[in-house]
Amino acid sequence: EAQVTQNPRYLITVTGKKLTVTCSQNMNHEYMSWYRQDPGLGLRQIYYSMNVEVTDKGDVPEGYKVSRKEKRNFPLILESPSPNQTSLYFCASSLSSGRSADTQYFGPGTRLTVL
Amino acid sequence: AQSVTQPDIHITVSEGASLELRCNYSYGATPYLFWYVQSPGQGLQLLLKYFSGDTLVQGIKGFEAEFKRSQSSFNLRKPSVHWSDAAEYFCAVGEGKTDSWGKLQFGAGTQVVVTP
Repeated sequence: EAQVTQNPRYLITVTGKKLTVTCSQNMNHEYMSWYRQDPGLGLRQIYYSMNVEVTDKGDVPEGYKVSRKEKRNFPLILESPSPNQTSLYFCASSLSSGRSADTQYFGPGTRLTVL
Repeated sequence: AQSVTQPDIHITVSEGASLELRCNYSYGATPYLFWYVQSPGQGLQLLLKYFSGDTLVQGIKGFEAEFKRSQSSFNLRKPSVHWSDAAEYFCAVGEGKTDSWGKLQFGAGTQVVVTP
């Protein structure tokens, strides 16, 4: 089954404790992206990756890191989480981002709380 | 940089009535435009997309959207809503090079409530 998986689905942590949210897709997609969703703000893109070893900043990259060492995985790293990073995070992937782009598939979301 | 505005935060519509959700964008070139739907507790699902060509785009679940360059709009419509259409709807704009988009910006969303 084609899917985007995220782990963990729920996480409560404390300020400053490094964490990683994993994202994996089994569709051989080139394009992957991370978003955070906050009430009244919609989704805001954190980072995106056009392909392996190619990443770029979205609108709200501060406080986050990503890597794309292999096609299927695109982890989101919070080196020193702060309470303002409490949010619902979505990973997404699509075959490409070209004009013939396939649908962008979203993961189920990770609800992160930073105390 | 592009921006996306969904003027209506909340819309209430009766089952069987028509629905139109507004989306305005600010972007210099021809944008990549999308509409997504998010049901409670769920991820996002693509309803339809516009890259070029016919400005009236058909999507899933009976939705359609029309790209109007002169008005910088990409409004979503459905002739007759069903109770299952109650959800939050997001318009999104892709920014990038000539034939691909990298950054994707979403509007703040419109919450649709369907009454009997």
